[in-house]
Amino acid sequence: QKEVEQDPGPLSVPEGAIVSLNCTYSNSAFQYFMWYRQYSRKGPELLMYTYSSGNKEDGRFTAQVDKSSKYISLFIRDSQPSDSATYLCAIVNDYKLSFGAGTTVTVRA
Amino acid sequence: NAGVTQTPKFQVLKTGQSMTLQCAQDMNHNSMYWYRQDPGMGLRLIYYSASEGTTDKGEVPNGYNVSRLNKREFSLRLESAAPSQTSVYFCASSGNAGGTEAFFGQGTRLTVV
Repeated sequence: QKEVEQDPGPLSVPEGAIVSLNCTYSNSAFQYFMWYRQYSRKGPELLMYTYSSGNKEDGRFTAQVDKSSKYISLFIRDSQPSDSATYLCAIVNDYKLSFGAGTTVTVRA
Repeated sequence: NAGVTQTPKFQVLKTGQSMTLQCAQDMNHNSMYWYRQDPGMGLRLIYYSASEGTTDKGEVPNGYNVSRLNKREFSLRLESAAPSQTSVYFCASSGNAGGTEAFFGQGTRLTVV
């Protein structure tokens, strides 16, 4: 079983819509949860990370962790065409990052 | 403000050839990583180095070797390239022990024919 699973999509939404991205993870001991954003033909860059459970907000982005169901989510409000990218969830396990498959998001103008 | 620099950016190899992918970081980070990215598979860890002088296998180490030359540099070697190693390779580094914030290079696009 993979440590973190993510629906690869793709996802296409109109500008201004809320984008909802989700991952599940396998081990309830994981504590750090991250979201990376990757533009086409670029390396991933850290978008947000959360420790343990709860919500974290940064501008239009909200990361959420539900430890009881081993579920992590990323919400993008008022989506913009510049948000079009692949979003990867990740967990830290034994000082290593394990990534989901990534969801490709297209925001249509 | 270079961050993580990978060379080369593109490479085409014939089956059986060898090559070394180079990675250097200028952020004084202890940990460095090599990932490969394939469509639908996400990023998979090949090898990592938690600190200078140590290296460990990741999820998909077969067919690869690594060298942590010093704190700045971490190279990945393909001894005998195979078409299955066609992929985009990313090097990353992290300054904190938990690896929560990793900085990635721009990637090397490798094709093995």
